[in-house]
Amino acid sequence: DAGVIQSPRHEVTEMGQEVTLRCKPISGHNSLFWYRQTMMRGLELLIYFNNNVPIDDSGMPEDRFSAKMPNASFSTLKIQPSEPRDSAVYFCASSFDGSYGYTFGSGTRLTVV
Amino acid sequence: EDQVTQSPEALRLQEGESSSLNCSYTVSGLRGLFWYRQDPGKGPEFLFTLYSAGEEKEKERLKATLTKKESFLHITAPKPEDSATYLCAVRPLNQAGTALIFGKGTTLSVSS
Repeated sequence: DAGVIQSPRHEVTEMGQEVTLRCKPISGHNSLFWYRQTMMRGLELLIYFNNNVPIDDSGMPEDRFSAKMPNASFSTLKIQPSEPRDSAVYFCASSFDGSYGYTFGSGTRLTVV
Repeated sequence: EDQVTQSPEALRLQEGESSSLNCSYTVSGLRGLFWYRQDPGKGPEFLFTLYSAGEEKEKERLKATLTKKESFLHITAPKPEDSATYLCAVRPLNQAGTALIFGKGTTLSVSS
């Protein structure tokens, strides 16, 4: 298995632009999580899906952030418009019921200038 | 509010010098405590899950233990390849589904 695949690995964009991050979870996993990691705040849960349905989006910082999971093999996290304070590493993770821990992707390092 | 606090923030050891990392948690109820390892530029990698006080898990030079208020990750005779950031996470009882709350991690550096 190729693991959780995220793209792009790095993204540099100008303030105000739209950014779309992509994630392909491990086949057979029924939960998908988006986390954001910064030095100051560590890993923060943004949103998570179970069986493609958003269960908890209370961590989404503002209406500028949105996430979708149109099918079991694909999810996107969109920021529109982007701001410099959105600069962070964004991780996607998947699991099957979560009992054995998540499998994380390699992350997308987002820089908004 | 559910919280996870890890200490120390950073730890420097000589090769072979054993030590422990601490994870203190405050939750309404615990459905599991998780340890992860994160190397620079990579996503966290799952190490252990602990479910009840008194439980222990081992993997090579690492041993995780759990009490009702904290968990320890003991590192015995560490090697330079053990250098990484170690993250602790909890799944609270009142947390819907399977989402985890993470601590900020302990960055371990082992020199030869």
